[in-house]
Amino acid sequence: GESVGLHLPTLSVQEGDNSIINCAYSNSASDYFIWYKQESGKGPQFIIDIRSNMDKRQGQRVTVLLNKTVKHLSLQIAATQPGDSAVYFCAERGNAGNMLTFGGGTRLMVKP
Amino acid sequence: DAMVIQNPRYQVTQFGKPVTLSCSQTLNHNVMYWYQQKSSQAPKLLFHYYDKDFNNEADTPDNFQSRRPNTSFCFLDIRSPGLGDAAMYLCATSTRVGEQFFGPGTRLTVL
Repeated sequence: GESVGLHLPTLSVQEGDNSIINCAYSNSASDYFIWYKQESGKGPQFIIDIRSNMDKRQGQRVTVLLNKTVKHLSLQIAATQPGDSAVYFCAERGNAGNMLTFGGGTRLMVKP
Repeated sequence: DAMVIQNPRYQVTQFGKPVTLSCSQTLNHNVMYWYQQKSSQAPKLLFHYYDKDFNNEADTPDNFQSRRPNTSFCFLDIRSPGLGDAAMYLCATSTRVGEQFFGPGTRLTVL
């Protein structure tokens, strides 16, 4: 669901380390999930997606894991770089057309 | 490059003065969306179009209207902006079942 807080949770990692960003989703009927990256002053940018019939999908330096039993989604970023610093949102698509419900977002800060 | 374009990138308006934000796309997607995003929050869907069919979210204030004159363009009209309407407004497009592509957003300031 949507975040209603004023402060985003923050994950701070050292450059070169792996990052794991977690997301809990709400609708057990959701069939499609997306991770977006949003840099300051820009629109969300697609990173990776996964359908509900999968539990893992890999991209370039990124992996998404889906655990439908506990309604949990995670984004793993390998060898995190300063350019990865941004806010990351998960989004789920339920059973109402192509509408997305966004999670609350996590700010990733990469220390050089 | 195919893309979603929003104009202007920054808009300043006065309390109660109507404002229009625009979005255009070269992706030829039949679905277009308008989101409102406040600081440190997730994007919130205001409405969307399936082709010319307009779909309003239940909690979108009447102050917000939209027009889609053709496939490529979509407008967001705020009839009487209040201080609480200051936000980033994001346009997105998709096919009927595909991922949503977002524009860079328009940051609205209300004085």
